[in-house]
Amino acid sequence: ETGVTQSPTHLIKTRGQQVTLRCSSQSGHNTVSWYQQALGQGPQFIFQYYREEENGRGNFPPRFSGLQFPNYSSELNVNALELDDSALYLCASSDLTSGGASEQFFGPGTRLTVL
Amino acid sequence: DQQVKQNSPSLSVQEGRISILNCDYTNSMFDYFLWYKKYPAEGPTFLISISSIKDKNEDGRFTVFLNKSAKHLSLHIVPSQPGDSAVYFCAASSLRGGSQGNLIFGKGTKLSVKP
Repeated sequence: ETGVTQSPTHLIKTRGQQVTLRCSSQSGHNTVSWYQQALGQGPQFIFQYYREEENGRGNFPPRFSGLQFPNYSSELNVNALELDDSALYLCASSDLTSGGASEQFFGPGTRLTVL
Repeated sequence: DQQVKQNSPSLSVQEGRISILNCDYTNSMFDYFLWYKKYPAEGPTFLISISSIKDKNEDGRFTVFLNKSAKHLSLHIVPSQPGDSAVYFCAASSLRGGSQGNLIFGKGTKLSVKP
């Protein structure tokens, strides 16, 4: 069973640029959630994708967007980068079944630094 | 306003003794709770969960207790081992309305288990 993988592991961008982060979900999982973790904070929910559709969104501006592909892998895109976007971006996969509880399994994260 | 609070940023325990990590929440809609462990440079690892229909769930050395009236949960680790040293995050979600994706995390408690 393959776990959740993310790429790249580290990334440095400058303010105003755009970035794409990638995530491959765990085998058998149909749902991907993205989180932002700032230093000293817990992860904050950005959005979730279930079967290629957005299935919930946190309090993040529209310049944070995402995609899920038929193989359930996912991308997080951030436009017009700001200094405060510097954080660890975590992807989590799960098997979302109707009415059921499902643990989310996290990847190692992508460390984004915006200069 | 933080909906999930871990009021102790750090905890130090002797090897072999019990570690008790606490978590409080404010949103009465939360009905599913999880604990994650995080080592530096890795993503959070799922430890144990509990649904609001239970007040206790046990898995090996890890036990989670839920007190719904007090909106409080705790994670007990017995016996504590040096390898348990990590940051522990409490997370909560509401299964109602299909919003399983939106895990709300606390800020974490750094546990140090000393040999």
